[in-house]
Amino acid sequence: NAGVTQTPKFQVLKTGQSMTLQCAQDMNHNSMYWYRQDPGMGLRLIYYSASEGTTDKGEVPNGYNVSRLNKREFSLRLESAAPSQTSVYFCASSEKPGASNEQYFGPGTRLTVT
Amino acid sequence: AQKITQTQPGMFVQEKEAVTLDCTYDTSDPSYGLFWYKQPSSGEMIFLIYQGSYDQQNATEGRYSLNFQKARKSANLVISASQLGDSAMYFCAMSLPRRSISSGSARQLTFGSGTQLTVLP
Repeated sequence: NAGVTQTPKFQVLKTGQSMTLQCAQDMNHNSMYWYRQDPGMGLRLIYYSASEGTTDKGEVPNGYNVSRLNKREFSLRLESAAPSQTSVYFCASSEKPGASNEQYFGPGTRLTVT
Repeated sequence: AQKITQTQPGMFVQEKEAVTLDCTYDTSDPSYGLFWYKQPSSGEMIFLIYQGSYDQQNATEGRYSLNFQKARKSANLVISASQLGDSAMYFCAMSLPRRSISSGSARQLTFGSGTQLTVLP
């Protein structure tokens, strides 16, 4: 039982390049999330998927797109990377969108855009 | 606006002593959850403890307890008998409903800026 996995762990991009961050969970959770963490700050929600087949914007969605491929997988795409997107990206999942929705986090992807 | 505030950027505590990490929140929604997460230097986010807005008693999980004062909108984390392995960044977070047409009722976590705890030998 791996929990939440993310690939890649590290990535360096040039401005304007595109890439997709992959996330998968094996806990049969309904909801999945993408966050970014900038230095000295807490996590901010980029996009989330309350259930398979649905996605919605979070606090900071500009410059990103997501795909909920199936119940297990939720990918984050940067179409044209910018230096402002240099950050650590975390994927998370939770069983259901209730008040006690403990979210389980992946190990993170450290992205640098030059 | 919903907001989480952690006013202590850094804290030091002697090994085996207790420490309190402060967290205040602001929301007008009656239904919310409060979480604490630990982020060691390795970077992963580890869930520690949860408190629901309707829970009558303070949550406890082993050496962690949450001092929930609803009227003051505070949710402080208390770590008893600190250990060297407790040195990490600690984040307070609030779970609030996010209502949208496409996703129905869902919840997101809003995080504070964190407190870096250092346990001294």
